[in-house]
Amino acid sequence: EIVLTQSPATLSLSPGDRATLSCRASQSVRSYLAWYQQKRGQAPRLLISDAYNRATGTPARFSGSGSGTDFTLTISSLEPEDFAVYYCQQRSSWPLTFGGGTKVEI
Amino acid sequence: EVQLVESGGGLVQPGGSLRLSCAASGFTFSSYQMNWVRQAPGKGLEWISHIRTDGTTVYYDSVQGRFTISRDNAKNSLYLQMNSLRAEDTAVYYCARTLESPFDYWGQGTLVTVSS
Repeated sequence: EIVLTQSPATLSLSPGDRATLSCRASQSVRSYLAWYQQKRGQAPRLLISDAYNRATGTPARFSGSGSGTDFTLTISSLEPEDFAVYYCQQRSSWPLTFGGGTKVEI
Repeated sequence: EVQLVESGGGLVQPGGSLRLSCAASGFTFSSYQMNWVRQAPGKGLEWISHIRTDGTTVYYDSVQGRFTISRDNAKNSLYLQMNSLRAEDTAVYYCARTLESPFDYWGQGTLVTVSS
């Protein structure tokens, strides 16, 4: 099973700040890494697929990078609606796995 | 508009059974692979089961042999039969769509509580 480790667990920032979230895989997932945003009481929402492809409706301030075992989600300038929990997920091999999440808080 | 609507959650005793449903609309259901993903209270996301368009299935070890995923393309519906339920199965259960891709659409979830 591929283990995804997200860091930091919590990121305390202010609107307008730049956020950098990390996801490290226990073995290569090639580029099959996605990022999701989850707000309290809501289902997750796909932000980034295959490491760097923004999903339909994802604002340009969100960008993904990386390949192999190290990946980054960057939010260039935080908007109030961006404060949420972010998960990475790999689809390189079964079982599909998620990281533990990074909470971006004010 | 793509919609996935789960139902069937509730309170069940340990060792009991429950069947979840996911009604799909707004897309050609038979062309998509489908999944169940769960989230225990206050915890992260856990993928548990996948079904391909041809009906072949994949399960996470923790539910293998206890849960069965199935689909009815004529009814645009996905199911999860859950048997021998344990306290650790308590979670919100989401259905989610894929097509050789990440989970691009999710339902709103249905809560399953396993407790005596």
